[in-house]
Amino acid sequence: QLQLQESGPGLVKPWETLSLTCSVSGGSISSSSSYWGWIRQPPGKGLEWIGNIYYSGGTYYSPSLKSRVTISVDTSKNQFSLRLTSVTAADTAVYYCARFPQEIDAFDIWGQGTVVTISS
Amino acid sequence: QSVLTQPPSVSAAPGQKVTISCSGSSSNIGNNYVSWYQQLPGTAPKLLIYDNNKRPSGIPDRFSGSKSGTSATLGITGLQTGDEADYYCGTWDSSLRWRVFGGGTKLTVL
Repeated sequence: QLQLQESGPGLVKPWETLSLTCSVSGGSISSSSSYWGWIRQPPGKGLEWIGNIYYSGGTYYSPSLKSRVTISVDTSKNQFSLRLTSVTAADTAVYYCARFPQEIDAFDIWGQGTVVTISS
Repeated sequence: QSVLTQPPSVSAAPGQKVTISCSGSSSNIGNNYVSWYQQLPGTAPKLLIYDNNKRPSGIPDRFSGSKSGTSATLGITGLQTGDEADYYCGTWDSSLRWRVFGGGTKLTVL
């Protein structure tokens, strides 16, 4: 059964770069022909889509974060990653990675999430 | 302020039925598929409904989805205390060209 697991620093200083990785197990990130996405949830608030990447590398990002976001994929490691530059306290959130299959219009498998706090 | 509007909270008694609405526009719900997610306290969201009204395997038929015009509705019958959670709708916005979620609805089973 496919599983996703986020990893990365739980604390990032303001104006630095947030970097997270999502490791995919139980299946190949390239064989499932899916998109892979990042979604975040600030404390006590709702879900916010960050962006998606296709296994071959094509990306699309939230317009509100596009200038600061890069999502990349490493098929050899069966991972995809998120980089968010120039972070502020407003970027403090639980960050989730998730699968977005081509055949349905939804995120069907989610990681457990990782808490990232922006603070000096 | 979310692009999709959901009621902040709904409540009902065990065994009863509840509906949660999600209101949008022609650029999102009106012309794209809607999905629904359940988020139990302290856990990741879980897909309940995709493509407006389809259930992934393992999701009981107590959960249903529908769409009409620029609004979508999640229905839950036979409410259980274990259904207490936050529920989110989601879709694609063709105008803004981003995936959007509703602000979430907290379900309380009294």
